[in-house]
Amino acid sequence: DQQVKQNSPSLSVQEGRISILNCDYTNSMFDYFLWYKKYPAEGPTFLISISSIKDKNEDGRFTVFLNKSAKHLSLHIVPSQPGDSAVYFCAACLYGNQFYFGTGTSLTVIP
Amino acid sequence: EAGVTQSPTHLIKTRGQQATLRCSPISGHTSVYWYQQALGLGLQFLLWYDEGEERNRGNFPPRFSGRQFPNYSSELNVNALELEDSALYLCASSPGTGLRQETQYFGPGTRLLVL
Repeated sequence: DQQVKQNSPSLSVQEGRISILNCDYTNSMFDYFLWYKKYPAEGPTFLISISSIKDKNEDGRFTVFLNKSAKHLSLHIVPSQPGDSAVYFCAACLYGNQFYFGTGTSLTVIP
Repeated sequence: EAGVTQSPTHLIKTRGQQATLRCSPISGHTSVYWYQQALGLGLQFLLWYDEGEERNRGNFPPRFSGRQFPNYSSELNVNALELEDSALYLCASSPGTGLRQETQYFGPGTRLLVL
């Protein structure tokens, strides 16, 4: 049972424009959410996180939004750069350091 | 500083055999996590070790087991391999400060193929 879902397997965006990656979850007990980025042949690397007590967190070009009532998480990248092309995973955490990951969205930023 | 390392990078086994996967965390990290990424699925949480103890495990059968050594490296063992165990197995480490919300640093993974 996939508790964290990324319904868009892929996304293409022009360089300089905004990339919006979406994530939905089913378990209301999740209280910490993260985004990871993965390049081919490498492990995922941490990008940005948000606690459930917040609805927005920014770090440079990356902003994560959390809508708890909708059980929805999104990652905004502005402006998008070709080096942002990678697979992005969202993850949610339960008590006991049990992390649940989505299936990933492959982002392609077109120069 | 060296990142998380995993060995082997690829492993081919036949059904019924046992597989052993190894992970070395970042120096100074005491927590190690194991994940399975099967084709078309997200990373599935397998096991969490901290200070040599198993702290939590995901919804996997007992034939998935592991251990953490005094130097904090870890081993994942999969017994009685089944075809559906074919997947990418990722190891991650974190400082193990006791804070639940720690960033995990991932290794490149071991790709296991069961024939």
